[in-house]
Amino acid sequence: DAGITQSPRHKVTETGTPVTLRCHQTENHRYMYWYRQDPGHGLRLIHYSYGVKDTDKGEVSDGYSVSRSKTEDFLLTLESATSSQTSVYFCATWGGLSYEQYFGPGTRLTVT
Amino acid sequence: GNSVTQMEGPVTLSEEAFLTINCTYTATGYPSLFWYVQYPGEGLQLLLKATKADDKGSNKGFEATYRKETTSFHLEKGSVQVSDSAVYFCALQSSGGGADGLTFGKGTHLIIQP
Repeated sequence: DAGITQSPRHKVTETGTPVTLRCHQTENHRYMYWYRQDPGHGLRLIHYSYGVKDTDKGEVSDGYSVSRSKTEDFLLTLESATSSQTSVYFCATWGGLSYEQYFGPGTRLTVT
Repeated sequence: GNSVTQMEGPVTLSEEAFLTINCTYTATGYPSLFWYVQYPGEGLQLLLKATKADDKGSNKGFEATYRKETTSFHLEKGSVQVSDSAVYFCALQSSGGGADGLTFGKGTHLIIQP
């Protein structure tokens, strides 16, 4: 257990509203990731961070932004939520010393 | 770019049956390969991994061998149990390191009937 928490765990929001999901880790891992999981697509990388204030885009970054002001926190923001962003969002971390990424419990987001 | 292809389910087996879930990949260089498992309502857990050709990863009775010649990493278990019911994901990490994330297959839903 890598000590990753995500909040909220469930959220229902309306189209056009901003939404921020939070990932918090207690392992002091340098790398953090946001993935989305959708039926028929597996997990796809949205954004990742390789240090405080250092972030980069993943495969499906359109409509999302991220911020990392502290090592332990990685925020994912949907500036104006759309129904296509209804998904389960997973945060993950990697410490760089092993090959394993550790995953949080997920956030189920529904955009109506 | 990198890609992972795995058989899509659901795959339904009886308890004690032999399991194979196929996984093939496309990547440049020498990626590391993984199988993750997701139980209902939970996040992903690493099941096993292999970091170079001909390595065999194993855990909890599951095995997979990194075959570079066939670009495959098939998951096998000799005798499945009801508790193995879950979604299984094959994934790769590029040879440049894991900093840029994992590439996942679409997942295989495994259902084991008693």
